[in-house]
Amino acid sequence: DAGVTQSPTHLIKTRGQQVTLRCSPKSGHDTVSWYQQALGQGPQFIFQYYEEEERQRGNFPDRFSGHQFPNYSSELNVNALLLGDSALYLCASSLLYQPSRETQYFGPGTRLLVL
Amino acid sequence: GQQVMQIPQYQHVQEGEDFTTYCNSSTTLSNIQWYKQRPGGHPVFLIQLVKSGEVKKQKRLTFQFGEAKKNSSLHITATQTTDVGTYFCAGLTSGTYKYIFGTGTRLKVLA
Repeated sequence: DAGVTQSPTHLIKTRGQQVTLRCSPKSGHDTVSWYQQALGQGPQFIFQYYEEEERQRGNFPDRFSGHQFPNYSSELNVNALLLGDSALYLCASSLLYQPSRETQYFGPGTRLLVL
Repeated sequence: GQQVMQIPQYQHVQEGEDFTTYCNSSTTLSNIQWYKQRPGGHPVFLIQLVKSGEVKKQKRLTFQFGEAKKNSSLHITATQTTDVGTYFCAGLTSGTYKYIFGTGTRLKVLA
């Protein structure tokens, strides 16, 4: 049973560039949430996708966008990268998301460095 | 906006000593989850608490949800070197799908 997978594991970009990060949820899961974790801080919620639609969004600018595909995998896109976007980007999956019941399973993350 | 604070920020203990981290939310929560993140790793789910005053145990770990559902604690008895890592709480408010993570408590265990 495959867990949550993310690609790439590491990425180096320069300011102004665009980046796409990918996530495959745990087998059988249909909901994907994306988090940004800066060094030494807790994960910050970016957005959540369910049934190919963004169901909720955190306090992140429109430069952050996403997509969910029919097979439940998801992408996170960040445009016009800033130095402050350097962080660990985590994907978490869950099943038929019922917040009072469901566990989130986190992937290993993508470490993004913006120079 | 909603905030979730944890104390202490750091804790160094001798192996065998107990450890407690406290989580406080600015708003009432519908449930709270606890995660452990090893250095260089990703958060790993430990437990979820839903009911007011709920207490759950996992071996040496005891989790508690406050009566007002605004605070929670994680207590580890007789710490081991394998307990090293950062412990995060994550709270959910009713009507949202957004978990707000706490600031984390970084635990170091000295052998």
